[in-house]
Amino acid sequence: ETGVTQTPRHLVMGMTNKKSLKCEQHLGHNAMYWYKQSAKKPLELMFVYSLEERVENNSVPSRFSPECPNSSHLFLHLHTLQPEDSALYLCASSQDRDSTYEQYFGPGTRLTVT
Amino acid sequence: QKEVEQNSGPLSVPEGAIASLNCTYSDRGSQSFFWYRQYSGKSPELIMFIYSNGDKEDGRFTAQLNKASQYVSLLIRDSQPSDSATYLCAVSDFGNEKLTFGTGTRLTIIP
Repeated sequence: ETGVTQTPRHLVMGMTNKKSLKCEQHLGHNAMYWYKQSAKKPLELMFVYSLEERVENNSVPSRFSPECPNSSHLFLHLHTLQPEDSALYLCASSQDRDSTYEQYFGPGTRLTVT
Repeated sequence: QKEVEQNSGPLSVPEGAIASLNCTYSDRGSQSFFWYRQYSGKSPELIMFIYSNGDKEDGRFTAQLNKASQYVSLLIRDSQPSDSATYLCAVSDFGNEKLTFGTGTRLTIIP
């Protein structure tokens, strides 16, 4: 596989469930990102990892918990979510954490919280 | 708080005409400017970036930057139906991990 892949592509979960989103990049990049895309709103940066170290956390609620075990994999662990958390969650990677480098996006996970 | 403003559209342009997409930003310290294209149900893909005042051309696409007016635009010449998508403007400070995105402009090319 090439580029940035995400699984699952679609997820429906109840507010009491625990689930995880997975992202994998095959580009040899050092930085990975989680974004949230809601209707009528700009893409919101949630987390940035550089060389497996978290460097940015944009005041994201603790019900979202990221994990970056190595530079190719990124997870987003979800628990006790709210209906307003329903959105498209996009993973991206770039050569380095400097945002002047192009970010390559995965296809996203469409999350619905019921 | 840094903001990036775009007209949400939809912007309808006849096939073969020039499509003009505009973006303004609030942070005067912004240094890097990007245009991403997002097809419906797909993820964003970078089509242009610009760092210096003036124009930058790449095929049918031209990015224009005016830092004094805090304004960046994207021109698409000879518009094709395949250009129909949402175009996202994003800005950042040099050396910053964070891209600030606009809400995007939905462009429709009419055959």
